[in-house]
Amino acid sequence: EPEVTQTPSHQVTQMGQEVILRCVPISNHLYFYWYRQILGQKVEFLVSFYNNEISEKSEIFDDQFSVERPDGSNFTLKIRSTKLEDSAMYFCASSDVAASGGPDTQYFGPGTRLTVL
Amino acid sequence: QKEVEQDPGPLSVPEGAIVSLNCTYSNSAFQYFMWYRQYSRKGPELLMYTYSSGNKEDGRFTAQVDKSSKYISLFIRDSQPSDSATYLCARGGGSEKLVFGKGTKLTVNP
Repeated sequence: EPEVTQTPSHQVTQMGQEVILRCVPISNHLYFYWYRQILGQKVEFLVSFYNNEISEKSEIFDDQFSVERPDGSNFTLKIRSTKLEDSAMYFCASSDVAASGGPDTQYFGPGTRLTVL
Repeated sequence: QKEVEQDPGPLSVPEGAIVSLNCTYSNSAFQYFMWYRQYSRKGPELLMYTYSSGNKEDGRFTAQVDKSSKYISLFIRDSQPSDSATYLCARGGGSEKLVFGKGTKLTVNP
């Protein structure tokens, strides 16, 4: 069964450093998302991406963050100048247009645990 | 006002019990409601979704929406130890963002 993959599974970085989190969405999907989950808190939406541009972003997704689809398969989240409060699980998700009725199912990857020291 | 509220539990039940998980939502305009299951150190996995009113059944799972009280429920019949996970309710639809509740951690004891 197709699945969303993410690398690395765990990233440790020093405060102020830049990190790139990588995702390979399901191959025929058109919509891509990043969410994050701070330990003990809700899964929160960061950004959605369609047709090579951001379609929606949350208040969290400020100038520190950027997303890119550098080729036909990868989808990346870059965090510049990381802060302690960026420590969280980051989930990538992808979806396709629903065939008939219903919402487009968002399939989630296993996540990248980011630890900022 | 928070969009989706969920009692985080934890909830512990014996194997075979009927489990009831609940959420409330704030905006009557929401169309779709999802239930995701999240095992430890894994990403959320869609269990089922319902439209803004009515029930939906899938095997041992039933999702229900009460539009008048803005209440979302997930019932699990004949619960199994493998059902032990965190259950997340969410609102969303189309290709728009999902807004999650905090999740309820369920443990089913053999």
